Amino acid sequence: DPKIIQKPKYLVAVTGSEKILICEQYLGHNAMYWYRQSAKKPLEFMFSYSYQKLMDNQTASSRFQPQSSKKNHLDLQITALKPDDSATYFCASSQGGRTLYFGSGTRLTVL
Amino acid sequence: GQQVQQSPASLVLQEGENAELQCNFSTSLNSMQWFYQRPGGSLVSLFYNPSGTKHSGRLTSTTVIKERRSSLHISSSQTTDSGTYLCALEQTGANTGKLTFGHGTILRVHP
Repeated sequence: DPKIIQKPKYLVAVTGSEKILICEQYLGHNAMYWYRQSAKKPLEFMFSYSYQKLMDNQTASSRFQPQSSKKNHLDLQITALKPDDSATYFCASSQGGRTLYFGSGTRLTVL
Repeated sequence: GQQVQQSPASLVLQEGENAELQCNFSTSLNSMQWFYQRPGGSLVSLFYNPSGTKHSGRLTSTTVIKERRSSLHISSSQTTDSGTYLCALEQTGANTGKLTFGHGTILRVHP
């Protein structure tokens, strides 16, 4: 059974719309992350949270807002979507900042 | 410049051959991790190896901090090893779980 659940697996959106990417982890970890993988680019760090508090934000745009309603949830809200936002978004978690475990990703396409 | 460089970019093997994947980095690090990315996109952690040598089945990871390099050795390759291998480092002093990834080595193993 997957221990990090991301929903949906695929998402198609129109330019200007807003979407929420869901992530839940059942590993009991205290830290959660979002990464993005665009075509022909390496995986890029976006955010890290520890005990539901923002630790690091490397996303220049305020259109990307993480939301942590519970310790094991870290959703990603994206507003005013642009075609350049098309990518696969990966959620990850770790305990004490050691090995990161990744979800299977949400592939977002913005038309 | 790019902080994490992986080589080769791609590699084709016959089943049973060995592979040596390299990761060179230009910054001091807290940790080095190796991941396998399946053709479908999901990531699997292979090693958390900030220094020294670690073994897991047919895989061996060696990180030499002074030389700013890490390697992943795959022995007796199998067709199921095909995919992308990624190295990622956490820089010294980061402590936020932010990993910087390389572009990866695409491995194809033919029967």
